[in-house]
Amino acid sequence: EAQVTQNPRYLITVTGKKLTVTCSQNMNHEYMSWYRQDPGLGLRQIYYSMNVEVTDKGDVPEGYKVSRKEKRNFPLILESPSPNQTSLYFCASSFASGTYEQYFGPGTRLTVT
Amino acid sequence: SQQGEEDPQALSIQEGENATMNCSYKTSINNLQWYRQNSGRGLVHLILIRSNEREKHSGRLRVTLDTSKKSSSLLITASRAADTASYFCATDKLSGAGSYQLTFGKGTKLSVIP
Repeated sequence: EAQVTQNPRYLITVTGKKLTVTCSQNMNHEYMSWYRQDPGLGLRQIYYSMNVEVTDKGDVPEGYKVSRKEKRNFPLILESPSPNQTSLYFCASSFASGTYEQYFGPGTRLTVT
Repeated sequence: SQQGEEDPQALSIQEGENATMNCSYKTSINNLQWYRQNSGRGLVHLILIRSNEREKHSGRLRVTLDTSKKSSSLLITASRAADTASYFCATDKLSGAGSYQLTFGKGTKLSVIP
């Protein structure tokens, strides 16, 4: 089954404790991205990757890191999480750039206390 | 930055009625997409309309695009309780890196009352 998976689905952590949210797709997609969703603000793009070893900032990259060492994986790293990063996070992938249909993961609900 | 803005923010209708949601955007696009999100879940792609198309159908969905007005509408006919969800329009924009990124509006929350 074609899908995007994220782990963990739910995470409660404390300020400053480094964490990684994994994202994996099995569709051989070149393009992958991370979004955060907050009430009243909709979805905002954090980072995206056009292909292996090619990443770039989205609209809200501060406080986040990403890497793309393999085509299928695109982890999101929070080196020092803060409460304002409490949000619902989505990973998405598509055949090529953002002009194509995006396939979304199920989401990761992160709470930073 | 968000390019697409949906209207209305919330819509409540009776089952069987039609639901219309609108999206306005600011800059030229290659295509416009509509997505659906059930509460707290991942977005699901519904339909994509290219900038050279004016109307597209998929089952009970009808999407129109007016590039001169920079607007699109999504019509759901004969609505069902299962259509209750948030609906987002998404437009592509050319990034500084020369690639296209997808930007989403804030969504329309549709409630279909049985």
